[in-house]
Amino acid sequence: AQSVTQPDIHITVSEGASLELRCNYSYGATPYLFWYVQSPGQGLQLLLKYFSGDTLVQGIKGFEAEFKRSQSSFNLRKPSVHWSDAAEYFCAVVDSYSGAGSYQLTFGKGTKLSVIP
Amino acid sequence: DAMVIQNPRYQVTQFGKPVTLSCSQTLNHNVMYWYQQKSSQAPKLLFHYYDKDFNNEADTPDNFQSRRPNTSFCFLDIRSPGLGDAAMYLCATSRGGTSGRTDTQYFGPGTRLTVL
Repeated sequence: AQSVTQPDIHITVSEGASLELRCNYSYGATPYLFWYVQSPGQGLQLLLKYFSGDTLVQGIKGFEAEFKRSQSSFNLRKPSVHWSDAAEYFCAVVDSYSGAGSYQLTFGKGTKLSVIP
Repeated sequence: DAMVIQNPRYQVTQFGKPVTLSCSQTLNHNVMYWYQQKSSQAPKLLFHYYDKDFNNEADTPDNFQSRRPNTSFCFLDIRSPGLGDAAMYLCATSRGGTSGRTDTQYFGPGTRLTVL
């Protein structure tokens, strides 16, 4: 089984500051990676995904992530954080693909982002 | 807008009283998933349907069942809820088929279950 590690449980940044959320994965082949965001009491919203090609991926809400195979990382970044970005962020990797078109996502434990006005 | 809808958003039940959570989708996706997310934890897959084929995760308790009467709807039944079943239950869908590993799962807003 694959695993995803998000080393930071909680991060606090000031509004307007830059942000980087870390994600490390364990996977032998080319991983398929996602970042989701979850606001309090809400479901998961897809921010971006990496399947292949350009290792710098652009997502919604001004987020981007960079896939680095040598470091087994897929860190999420944003140049200037807004107060509305306060939420929990989950990194996930495709695991246990059935071959018939369904698969299991393995999630990291999440990083909670707080934003200081 | 095409979407994944979960009802109710909040559900309160009593210890041992059966409860059913609902998920519907307008995406016409083949695959529907149910996840359990306890407080401050990652979502954990309970089971999923590929069309009418049911796939249960090995460690999903027997207390949890699911039904998918048609493409659009999927239900999660908890036969005898315990205090440990209090959680957010998330439904997700994906296209399936030839999309393969490059498929994306789309999540509903979740149902928060409280067990008294």
